[in-house]
Amino acid sequence: AQRVTQPEKLLSVFKGAPVELKCNYSYSGSPELFWYVQYSRQRLQLLLRHISRESIKGFTADLNKGETSFHLKKPFAQEEDSAMYYCALSGGAGGFKTIFGAGTRLFVKA
Amino acid sequence: GAVVSQHPSWVICKSGTSVKIECRSLDFQATTMFWYRQFPKQSLMLMATSNEGSKATYEQGVEKDKFLINHASLTLSTLTVTSAHPEDSSFYICSAIQTQETQYFGPGTRLLVL
Repeated sequence: AQRVTQPEKLLSVFKGAPVELKCNYSYSGSPELFWYVQYSRQRLQLLLRHISRESIKGFTADLNKGETSFHLKKPFAQEEDSAMYYCALSGGAGGFKTIFGAGTRLFVKA
Repeated sequence: GAVVSQHPSWVICKSGTSVKIECRSLDFQATTMFWYRQFPKQSLMLMATSNEGSKATYEQGVEKDKFLINHASLTLSTLTVTSAHPEDSSFYICSAIQTQETQYFGPGTRLLVL
């Protein structure tokens, strides 16, 4: 079954510290993985996707097919990074259908 | 960038009434739109996939007769919650696909059924 697991509901780090938001997935086939972010009082928006292999706002995520993981990382967290982060998966027979993880709330302390 | 709007942003209704929520892609044509439901402090749960000109595809456990979806044009999809009950109170979010599987999300509609 398709599943996205984000084990941490809340992650609190100090400004300037490295941050890693964990995401593991279960999927038979070749999925596409995404990270979405939702800032306070704003709509959900795409942060990055694995096929782009780009860095957005200093965040990167590498797809590890062996470990079925797609962890989101940033070397130096900023206060403005505080938000809700959702890992998501789509692809295969489901087409564009997207399955979301439960989300991790990142809180960056001054 | 692409913008998706939802109307209304919030609605309060009496139990037993029906509520219609609109989702529009403002500056692009969306062949596919999705409807999600989000409970407090929980993730988005996909309810259905809406394709223009065809019947929506509902996820397992989502009642088709309860949540009517119409995708009449390439820029508009509507979700009607029929005979709403307090347990239908939730945050409903739509998204639209432009190209390359990029989903653009609406701001959501908060429904409260009394």
